[in-house]
Amino acid sequence: QQQVKQSPQSLIVQKGGISIINCAYENTAFDYFPWYQQFPGKGPALLIAIRPDVSEKKEGRFTISFNKSAKQFSLHIMDSQPGDSATYFCAATEDMIKAAGNKLTFGGGTRVLVKP
Amino acid sequence: EPEVTQTPSHQVTQMGQEVILRCVPISNHLYFYWYRQILGQKVEFLVSFYNNEISEKSEIFDDQFSVERPDGSNFTLKIRSTKLEDSAMYFCASSVSRTVYNEQFFGPGTRLTVL
Repeated sequence: QQQVKQSPQSLIVQKGGISIINCAYENTAFDYFPWYQQFPGKGPALLIAIRPDVSEKKEGRFTISFNKSAKQFSLHIMDSQPGDSATYFCAATEDMIKAAGNKLTFGGGTRVLVKP
Repeated sequence: EPEVTQTPSHQVTQMGQEVILRCVPISNHLYFYWYRQILGQKVEFLVSFYNNEISEKSEIFDDQFSVERPDGSNFTLKIRSTKLEDSAMYFCASSVSRTVYNEQFFGPGTRLTVL
């Protein structure tokens, strides 16, 4: 019930194309859904995040779509650039009032390669 | 820009040996975390720490693991007797507070190789 399932495992997209990564969860106590971007040799870095009271959040070329009833959320990278080539992790965490310590539960990761 | 730092970047040890992984969180942060990532797998939560106490730990974080904040800047993860399956990338993270909407900042990681 604590799992977050992420797909696809890898993705190749042409420069200018759209990258779409999907995540699904079971735990209805999850209250915050961040996406992390990780470059080789670096730690994950927060890219964009959404709360379940909104269905979409956009920051620049990155958009999260959230479907609370389906318990699914996705990341769309518009106009993908070679510099976007990285591993992307979706994550989820519970409300601190209900949970002990704000741990992040990560999806399995998607390796995105943007070809020039 | 402030960042979380970790040392060493790579640690090689023999099975059964003790290792200490070190982290310097961002200076005004109060909440600290360790995560690990076995090669090719997802990032997994190990432990969270606040006010010199463990807030939460996962089932991975057994008696072989311990955490400590020995001074005002360092945060350490100790593995008492390493096993082959402890080989992984270990990430330290910190956040200003524990509110769920507060970003956790991750360090670059320590790659632990147990032979």
